[in-house]
Amino acid sequence: NAGVTQTPKFQVLKTGQSMTLQCAQDMNHNSMYWYRQDPGMGLRLIYYSASEGTTDKGEVPNGYNVSRLNKREFSLRLESAAPSQTSVYFCASSERGTTEAFFGQGTRLTVV
Amino acid sequence: QKEVEQNSGPLSVPEGAIASLNCTYSDRVSQSFFWYRQYSGKSPELIMSIYSNGDKEDGRFTAQLNKASQYVSLLIRDSQPSDSATYLCAVLNTGGFKTIFGAGTRLFVKA
Repeated sequence: NAGVTQTPKFQVLKTGQSMTLQCAQDMNHNSMYWYRQDPGMGLRLIYYSASEGTTDKGEVPNGYNVSRLNKREFSLRLESAAPSQTSVYFCASSERGTTEAFFGQGTRLTVV
Repeated sequence: QKEVEQNSGPLSVPEGAIASLNCTYSDRVSQSFFWYRQYSGKSPELIMSIYSNGDKEDGRFTAQLNKASQYVSLLIRDSQPSDSATYLCAVLNTGGFKTIFGAGTRLFVKA
């Protein structure tokens, strides 16, 4: 049982480059999330998708876009990376309305 | 005011002692509350969930919820060095769509 799978695990980008972080879950969960984690800041919600076909902004959406491709997959795109986006990114999923969130392994992104 | 607030610590306790971790939240109508543990370099994992006022016990862990005071706590009895980690308090928002996390409290258990 893979749970939540994120790719890549590590990435170095130059300022201005773009990239997409991929996330897939095999637990048939309705809700999916993207968080970033910075030292001393805890987990901050970037975007979430309550169900297939819907996406909403979280606490820190600027500079990011998301796509809920289907029920399993939720991608995060950085169109023009900035050093301020250096962080660890976590994807998570949960059943709507209960519910414990299950996390992927994280992507450590460095923007130089 | 942050939606979920925790003391960042670090909290240091000797092995075998009780560790007490605290959290306050701002959304008065929140209904679901969670404690996650995160080891360095790893992803968060759920250790406790609590939905109603009072205490909930699971092994060495006890979660306490006081909705009137908007306060959640986690007690770890007989603390072990393996409990050394960051503990994240999380609150599910009213609509049940967003989980908001506190900044986390770092716990060190000294052998």
